[in-house]
Amino acid sequence: SQTIHQWPATLVQPVGSPLSLECTVEGTSNPNLYWYRQAAGRGLQLLFYSIGIDQISSEVPQNLSASRPQDRQFILSSKKLLLSDSGFYLCAWSGPAIYEQYFGPGTRLTVT
Amino acid sequence: QQQVKQSPQSLIVQKGGISIINCAYENTAFDYFPWYQQFPGKGPALLIAIRPDVSEKKEGRFTISFNKSAKQFSLHIMDSQPGDSATYFCAASIRGSTLGRLYFGRGTQLTVWP
Repeated sequence: SQTIHQWPATLVQPVGSPLSLECTVEGTSNPNLYWYRQAAGRGLQLLFYSIGIDQISSEVPQNLSASRPQDRQFILSSKKLLLSDSGFYLCAWSGPAIYEQYFGPGTRLTVT
Repeated sequence: QQQVKQSPQSLIVQKGGISIINCAYENTAFDYFPWYQQFPGKGPALLIAIRPDVSEKKEGRFTISFNKSAKQFSLHIMDSQPGDSATYFCAASIRGSTLGRLYFGRGTQLTVWP
């Protein structure tokens, strides 16, 4: 069966510090991968998506970036965090022939 | 532009009652409509999904009703329980697309009182 992992689970970072969030998927090959952000009490905002290694597309211009160094690994990064980057970050995957998206447990990021 | 519009934003239901959440879309290319359930501090979990070739799909106490001509679909939770208290998101996508991107509604926070 497929499993999706995210870490860390929670993170408190000062403004201007770098960020690296990691997502890995097990039990499937060549998944589509997604990064979402959810502000407190808000909906799901798609940030990045990837259909393959080093194939990243951005939905929203911001100071975040994403990379996919391996087939089942997706990384969200920032060189300098802003207060507005606080939120709940969710990674999701879907299969090449699967329409459903499955979400990870999320990372709660607080920028202070 | 919000591709999928969801209402209400919040909903309070008595235990045993019926919870109804509505969604509407404009893009007639959408052909897959899932619902997600999210508990506080957790990632959304796929609850139930429907394709436009059927008008209704039922799984336990959860039912999706789909009206293709009106471009609307809704989630009905029968015999609502306090454990159903969560945020519910509707979504839509195009199955034939390479990306499989989901367009989400803004969510409905459901509270079921005991």
